[in-house]
Amino acid sequence: GAGVSQTPSNKVTEKGKYVELRCDPISGHTALYWYRQSLGQGPEFLIYFQGTGAADDSGLPNDRFFAVRPEGSVSTLKIQRTERGDSAVYLCASSSSGQNTEAFFGQGTRLTVV
Amino acid sequence: AQSVAQPEDQVNVAEGNPLTVKCTYSVSGNPYLFWYVQYPNRGLQFLLKYITGDNLVKGSYGFEAEFNKSQTSFHLKKPSALVSDSALYFCAVRPWGSGDKLTFGTGTRLAVRP
Repeated sequence: GAGVSQTPSNKVTEKGKYVELRCDPISGHTALYWYRQSLGQGPEFLIYFQGTGAADDSGLPNDRFFAVRPEGSVSTLKIQRTERGDSAVYLCASSSSGQNTEAFFGQGTRLTVV
Repeated sequence: AQSVAQPEDQVNVAEGNPLTVKCTYSVSGNPYLFWYVQYPNRGLQFLLKYITGDNLVKGSYGFEAEFNKSQTSFHLKKPSALVSDSALYFCAVRPWGSGDKLTFGTGTRLAVRP
């Protein structure tokens, strides 16, 4: 099936290290979203791309977090100098354009910072 | 800013009985409303959405939801619960004309006993 694919599914890293999380959206979807889900919480918005550009990055918690989508398809979420508080499941979603369209989510990347 | 409240952390129901999972929202203007379900170790799956028109929306797996503008609610319902419906359910809102990000509730765990 051609759903949203996220890699890796699990990532364990040491505090202070740099990590990259990858999202491959559904083919043809112009909108791409990153969310973070902590234990017992709902997904929290991080950043939204329309095409190659970040249309809304208001959810990024600080400047250690950065995301790119250089060709309007695959996106990478980058976290520098990871902290234990960054541990969470990072979810990617994509949708066709239009506010009334639903987003389709990947299975997520579980990030553990030790 | 928009918000979603799911007042019940857990809902318990016997198989075959009707179920309701509650959701209320706060948004400036009109909302787009969504329900997603999350099974263990899996991403969020879209169930249904309210865009406009008929207040009763039908979705996947026999679920439906009723939009009530005066009560700002969008409760999820099913006439006859199945054990396989046991999962975590999230309500989400997106305001018209205010960007594309979804704001999620904290989730309600549905437990259906045989």
